[in-house]
Parts: sequence; structure tokens; C-alpha cells
Amino acid sequence: AQTVTQSQPEMSVQEAETVTLSCTYDTSESDYYLFWYKQPPSRQMILVIRQEAYKQQNATENRFSVNFQKAAKSFSLKISDSQLGDAAMYFCAYRSAGFGGATNKLIFGTGTLLAVQP
Amino acid sequence: DTAVSQTPKYLVTQMGNDKSIKCEQNLGHDTMYWYKQDSKKFLKIMFSYNNKELIINETVPNRFSPKSPDKAHLNLHINSLELGDSAVYFCASSHRDREGNIQYFGAGTRLSVL
Repeated sequence: AQTVTQSQPEMSVQEAETVTLSCTYDTSESDYYLFWYKQPPSRQMILVIRQEAYKQQNATENRFSVNFQKAAKSFSLKISDSQLGDAAMYFCAYRSAGFGGATNKLIFGTGTLLAVQP
Repeated sequence: DTAVSQTPKYLVTQMGNDKSIKCEQNLGHDTMYWYKQDSKKFLKIMFSYNNKELIINETVPNRFSPKSPDKAHLNLHINSLELGDSAVYFCASSHRDREGNIQYFGAGTRLSVL
């Protein structure tokens, strides 16, 4: 069974600085997807970024980028130029490739609570 | 327009009651999900439907019964509520052939069982 581990329960960053959130996962599959979701105090789950395992190029979305190391099974999220609105719980998630049955589910890590200091 | 909407947003009830949470998506997706987020913020899949067919049924007490009347709706009915059912329940939807099957979430329903 696949597992996702986020070893940093809490992180803090100064506004305008850069912060990196860590995520490791365990799987025997070769094809899968990895995600970072953000959950602000409003409780809404918002997709931040997605990475396909078969793509070597790291995904980027504006100030958000990932460092995907497939061999090391590592998937960290870098937030550049941090803003007050980035304060939230961040969840790393894994999903098997393909469709049907259990492959469809997202497997989440335990989350990292990010505080942004003004 | 809210893409995935859940009602109600908050639900406070007594132990032993039966309650339902409704979910609707207007994204044209063919797959819908229920996730449970416990008091420690851990998220776990409960159920998934594709085109009204149940495709994921994790180890969930049979007091929980999902129902999908059509592709755009997925409801969750909970019988004989227990204190341990207190959690935030999220509905999500996706399309198997679009955007790599990205799941979009509703705003969650906070269930408090007293």
C-alpha cells in the first residue's frame, strides 16, 4: 500500500521569503500522480500544483514549484515570495495512474501548517 | 458559480440521530468522492462513484450509506450517529478523461455529534 509522509507538522516563513515543504512517499508503482493541496482557515481544499511521475520536468505554477525526485520518492513544494495569503495547511497527496477502483483515491499526508510572518 | 457545493456547511446533532449531507457538482465530471477529515486534520477516502456506480468503498461502518442519483449528485446518509463521527466531510469530483483526473473539492461539512 502507498503511504505519504510529511515530516514537518509546522513551518514558519517571513513575508517575501522562500520556504520549502517536504513530502516523501512510498510506492511500488512506476506511474502515478503527486499533488499539493492548500487548506486555508476557510477549510476549502485548493489544488496548488500537480506532478505526473513520468515527467522529469518539475511542475511550476507562478510562485509555487516542486522538486520531484522519483528515485528518492521525494516531492517538496517551494513557495517563493511568500505572501500572507499563503498561510494555510498544506497537504501532499498521491494517486495511482489509470482509473478504476482503488487507483482513483487520493492518499494524503498528515499536512504541514505554514505560518507567514509579516 | 460554485463548482462543488455541499450542504449544509455545519451540522450539529445528537447521538443516535440520522443525518444526510448533500453534494452537487456543475463541472460535468463523471466521478464523485467522499472524504473524511478527522480532528487531527487527516484526510481519508470513504467512497467514490463513477457514473452512479460505486467504485471505492473503504472500511467504513455500514451506518454510512452513499447514494448517487445521477452523475452530478452524491449524497451521504449517516444512521445512528456516534460521537466519533464528528469530523469534516468533503465531497470532491473529477473526470477520468480530463486534466489527469484532478479532484476538485467542496468547502466541507463540519459535523458535530453531541
